[in-house]
Amino acid sequence: QSALTQPASVSGSPGQSITISCTGTSSDIGDYNYVSWYQQHPGKAPKFIIYDVDNRPSGVPARFSGSKSGNMASLTISGLQAEDEAIYFCCSYTSRSTVIFGGGTTVTVL
Amino acid sequence: EVQLVESGGGLVQPGGSLRLSCAASGFIFNTYAMSWVRQAPGRGLEWVSSIGGRGDDIKYADSVKGRFTISRDNSMKTQYLQMSGLRVEDTAVYYCVKPPQGWEPTIYYFESWGPGALVTVS
Repeated sequence: QSALTQPASVSGSPGQSITISCTGTSSDIGDYNYVSWYQQHPGKAPKFIIYDVDNRPSGVPARFSGSKSGNMASLTISGLQAEDEAIYFCCSYTSRSTVIFGGGTTVTVL
Repeated sequence: EVQLVESGGGLVQPGGSLRLSCAASGFIFNTYAMSWVRQAPGRGLEWVSSIGGRGDDIKYADSVKGRFTISRDNSMKTQYLQMSGLRVEDTAVYYCVKPPQGWEPTIYYFESWGPGALVTVS
């Protein structure tokens, strides 16, 4: 099963909003709301920032939000901050009872 | 505080074997499904395998099926990943991961991550 499709990079200036897309199929994102997002800074383990498409775990800033339409999920960062510069991965449960990740999107704060 | 600590990584030749361990603390280990996720150098994340809280409900990614075996010892609060028939493409940091509280038996989400164990096949 191929990875979910994400853009390689997205950039924005401080204070701006950016959106990262994550495209799957009817066997993963399109069939389940078990969509999550992870943030990874260089040399660190990933951090869990979104679950159930649009829910934030405790402690994750409200500027991070998620959505889904059909086979595509999205992560929006509103009011971009310097510390948001990182790699972001989407993730979905699948109809084969497995888990699949996206290839990752590098966010650059200009 | 939840802690996951991997060990057993290292350098191995193609075709060789290695066993990773993950020592867990800070939560009721035997109620949680546990998983392994790996990341090749400079690459994305790849789910590898998961195991239910009682050692049942085992799943593998197609890329490792038949070569890797996941297991756990609830008395030791430790999960394992036995890797055999290792290939160059198995080179990666292997993370031990657990679901959030409230999602114990599931593998949908990975809230807690260990620091990772580097496996190099060369």
